[in-house]
Amino acid sequence: GAGVSQTPSNKVTEKGKYVELRCDPISGHTALYWYRQSLGQGPEFLIYFQGTGAADDSGLPNDRFFAVRPEGSVSTLKIQRTERGDSAMYLCASSHQGNTEAFFGQGTRLTVV
Amino acid sequence: ELKVEQNPLFLSMQEGKNYTIYCNYSTTSDRLYWYRQDPGKSLESLFVLLSNGAVKQEGRLMASLDTKARLSTLHITAAVHDLSATYFCAVDKGSGNTPLVFGKGTRLSVIA
Repeated sequence: GAGVSQTPSNKVTEKGKYVELRCDPISGHTALYWYRQSLGQGPEFLIYFQGTGAADDSGLPNDRFFAVRPEGSVSTLKIQRTERGDSAMYLCASSHQGNTEAFFGQGTRLTVV
Repeated sequence: ELKVEQNPLFLSMQEGKNYTIYCNYSTTSDRLYWYRQDPGKSLESLFVLLSNGAVKQEGRLMASLDTKARLSTLHITAAVHDLSATYFCAVDKGSGNTPLVFGKGTRLSVIA
């Protein structure tokens, strides 16, 4: 596609529920990144994929968070047993291997009530 | 651990004035980025700085990089209201396709 696409744009869920956030990167981009941005803060790195594999998952805050990219294109960020502290904007970015610049999607605003 | 610090965090400036936002980072890095974010929106790439002494300009914004001092600046010339936004600098953790470490952002408000 023309840009990085994230769905849904907004998600409201109840505490304890499971959610999935989807990211569709720019076609041909092999690198994909997930970031989380809390209100008034800068984005914080969660996980980075190179192709299908997670090259760096050191930013995932705990084992309730998991992400997959089974075919090296679309990625899904999964959050189990959501907590109110998980409320944030979740941003996805992609870049072409060898290219320095990553392009960000519009984000998914997650609200846990 | 790579840390990125921006200052000021909040900036209110009058239209027509000039000002500079500073970005310091703690370890050697290959690349530095500046992004703009409007409220409730995603990040818009402004500049990518790849080498010591790099200077890039777009309209009223000019960014520079001093890798020896581990410092980047974003200079605003003759501010206009449309520049009101939050500006982030970000630094690569390493070389190649590696994650970015962001500063906390500078919230700029340009007033008449």
